[in-house]
Amino acid sequence: GAVVSQHPSWVICKSGTSVKIECRSLDFQATTMFWYRQFPKQSLMLMATSNEGSKATYEQGVEKDKFLINHASLTLSTLTVTSAHPEDSSFYICSASGPTSGLNNEQFFGPGTRLTVL
Amino acid sequence: AQTVTQSQPEMSVQEAETVTLSCTYDTSESDYYLFWYKQPPSRQMILVIRQEAYKQQNATENRFSVNFQKAAKSFSLKISDSQLGDAAMYFCAYRSGSSGDKLTFGTGTRLAVRP
Repeated sequence: GAVVSQHPSWVICKSGTSVKIECRSLDFQATTMFWYRQFPKQSLMLMATSNEGSKATYEQGVEKDKFLINHASLTLSTLTVTSAHPEDSSFYICSASGPTSGLNNEQFFGPGTRLTVL
Repeated sequence: AQTVTQSQPEMSVQEAETVTLSCTYDTSESDYYLFWYKQPPSRQMILVIRQEAYKQQNATENRFSVNFQKAAKSFSLKISDSQLGDAAMYFCAYRSGSSGDKLTFGTGTRLAVRP
């Protein structure tokens, strides 16, 4: 299957700072990338969908000015958590799909990034 | 909007036995896909099995099989010959066949495997 990487795998930051998480598709062109948030013992909650070269579409209740998403190339999307606060601490997962990612544009998931805001 | 319901927060199975995880969904669409994903302690999401709604035949992948009841909007996962490595969170997910690649996940079932 296709491979998606995320960097960093974990990050600790101080309240008020910004953190950038990268999501890369390593062996296919990701026309669409998705960003999810997962709290402990809960399901994945979709935050936003980004298509290469266009603005991300955010789910209801997700602050687009706080969670900046950039999908500038077919292999890279970034999520920047701006002015992070302790309540932003969570596990962030990206996934990617494209016309060559598998059967019917299957999504492939990155390994996730654990963000802790002190 | 589509919804996915997993009514079993936790399940337990004896090693080598069979277990069935339940999933129901609600949609008005006729073209869609259903998935089961496994999330082990590493948190990496792994696709277990996929079912296209237009296919009547239930999907199977080695020890994993589904019981897809389209009229009842039910999509259960059967794990045969359970192994210790099957212990994980299992998420049922829905994807529209006509409006993008977005996945809607259920709340998950935590499966424990007893040695």
